[in-house]
Amino acid sequence: AQSVSQHNHHVILSEAASLELGCNYSYGGTVNLFWYVQYPGQHLQLLLKYFSGDPLVKGIKGFEAEFIKSKFSFNLRKPSVQWSDTAEYFCAVNGAGGGNKLTFGTGTQLKVEL
Amino acid sequence: EPEVTQTPSHQVTQMGQEVILRCVPISNHLYFYWYRQILGQKVEFLVSFYNNEISEKSEIFDDQFSVERPDGSNFTLKIRSTKLEDSAMYFCASSLQPGSEQYFGPGTRLTVT
Repeated sequence: AQSVSQHNHHVILSEAASLELGCNYSYGGTVNLFWYVQYPGQHLQLLLKYFSGDPLVKGIKGFEAEFIKSKFSFNLRKPSVQWSDTAEYFCAVNGAGGGNKLTFGTGTQLKVEL
Repeated sequence: EPEVTQTPSHQVTQMGQEVILRCVPISNHLYFYWYRQILGQKVEFLVSFYNNEISEKSEIFDDQFSVERPDGSNFTLKIRSTKLEDSAMYFCASSLQPGSEQYFGPGTRLTVT
């Protein structure tokens, strides 16, 4: 069965600090990988995705993530966070070979302070 | 930008009652999903639906749950006899293709008393 681990449950940063949120997955085959964000009071929105090709993917709002197959990781990064990045971030995976269900990590609550 | 909508935003019901949660997926999407998130826990997959039938379901999705696409636009989740532990946020999602990105609705908060 596939599983996703997010190591940081709560992160507090000052504006302009750099961000890296860890995500590791467990799955025996080829995967599609996603980061979703949930701003306060809003629904889950797709930040970025990886299906194949360049392992460094860029998403919206200056976020990027790197797929490292050997480490089963898909960490999210942003060089300089803003107060408006305060949100909960979810890593998710589905099996690329079939089976559409997304398996989510527990989420990381990011708070950016002014 | 098209989006997934869900109604109601909040539903309070008594234990043992039936509830129906409604979703309108993005109009050209063909794959539909329900997830739930119990407070403080992970978002969990319940069921996926394609071509008017369930394509995959989790062990959570037992006989008390059913899904339907009654009219070509709505996608519903029915819980026949609610239990206290069904209290959660229920999210509907849709996607254009299998395995592609899923677009989520705002959720229905179900409270069972």
